[in-house]
Amino acid sequence: AQKVTQAQTEISVVEKEDVTLDCVYETRDTTYYLFWYKQPPSGELVFLIRRNSFDEQNEISGRYSWNFQKSTSSFNFTITASQVVDSAVYFCALSVSFSGGYNKLIFGAGTRLAVHP
Amino acid sequence: SAVISQKPSRDICQRGTSLTIQCQVDSQVTMMFWYRQQPGQSLTLIATANQGSEATYESGFVIDKFPISRPNLTFSTLTVSNMSPEDSSIYLCSVSGLAGYYEQYFGPGTRLTVT
Repeated sequence: AQKVTQAQTEISVVEKEDVTLDCVYETRDTTYYLFWYKQPPSGELVFLIRRNSFDEQNEISGRYSWNFQKSTSSFNFTITASQVVDSAVYFCALSVSFSGGYNKLIFGAGTRLAVHP
Repeated sequence: SAVISQKPSRDICQRGTSLTIQCQVDSQVTMMFWYRQQPGQSLTLIATANQGSEATYESGFVIDKFPISRPNLTFSTLTVSNMSPEDSSIYLCSVSGLAGYYEQYFGPGTRLTVT
């Protein structure tokens, strides 16, 4: 099965708290890519990060960090010192191969993050 | 990344009518994708549009309901036919083939309400 699970439907935090969004995936591919996207209230989908299956190094970008662990099939996303502008729905996605050598994305259900002042 | 635009940005339509959504990219791309996001839900792939060939539809989506055109490497259209209130969704196009075949960048979406 090719699947992405985001078990947290909604998270509510107060500004400056750290928050971790969980993502667990299933795939039969040996080479795959994982993504995080942000969808603010405006509706557009903003690309945050891509990670390939051979690179398990954690990544940090400002207040954002990502923890990829193949052993547990997880790709978790942490926001440090959250801000009100971080309020959005966050989607984890898995890129799976299909015919023609191209990939398509399978999305998790999304986690709605509300950051309160 | 690329600049991706969609028209219209939103529309309110009556049931039984059809709406064509346009997706324009500012650079040539290999693959274009169309997604549907029903209210409060995640994104579901409708079809993949490759220039010069028929679109490939996902399970549960058919060409008669969602005809797609891909006349060149920068443009695609999705038509939502014979609409019903259940078609009320955000429709997003995305593109890949820029930084690599694995990355997809999304347009701003079209918010469709069917009354």
